[in-house]
Amino acid sequence: EDQVTQSPEALRLQEGESSSLNCSYTVSGLRGLFWYRQDPGKGPEFLFTLYSAGEEKEKERLKATLTKKESFLHITAPKPEDSATYLCAVQASTGANNLFFGTGTRLTVIP
Amino acid sequence: EAGVTQFPSHSVIEKGQTVTLRCDPISGHDNLYWYRRVMGKEIKFLLHFVKESKQDESGMPNNRFLAERTGGTYSTLKVQPAELEDSGVYFCASSQQGWSIQYFGAGTRLSVL
Repeated sequence: EDQVTQSPEALRLQEGESSSLNCSYTVSGLRGLFWYRQDPGKGPEFLFTLYSAGEEKEKERLKATLTKKESFLHITAPKPEDSATYLCAVQASTGANNLFFGTGTRLTVIP
Repeated sequence: EAGVTQFPSHSVIEKGQTVTLRCDPISGHDNLYWYRRVMGKEIKFLLHFVKESKQDESGMPNNRFLAERTGGTYSTLKVQPAELEDSGVYFCASSQQGWSIQYFGAGTRLSVL
């Protein structure tokens, strides 16, 4: 069964303190892995899509990487406005187009 | 360009009542998805429309849930009769192609008392 596990559940960082979030997945053929950001009371906001092992993508202070079994979201020198829940989701290559989500990592960046 | 729009943003109903949620996808997006997040759990897939046709209903929990997509535009999700366990946040998403990025609405928070 397709499954996504994110760790840690919650993370508190001082402003400027870099860290990484983990997303481990099992899927019957990976079509794509997606990272979303969700702020309280809002829907998931798309950040990145990764398709194959070794792929990396960057946006401002965020960098996403992908291996055959996991993905990392690296946050470099975070700012308070980076505080949010970060969601990882996978889409299988079996034909169905739905996303399988993890429970997310709640990031708090303290000034 | 307008994003995915959902309403109401919040609905409070009593057990046994009926509620209808609406989703307006991004213009031109043929693919429309419904997801749900119950307290403490991950966001889970409910169903997928391609234009007006149901492509995949495998995530619908039971026959109290009925989804429609009139003319391939907006979609409604009706819960009748609502039960306590239906409480949660219902998200709608849309995409141009089945394999492309899914853009989410802000969700409807449903509270069944």
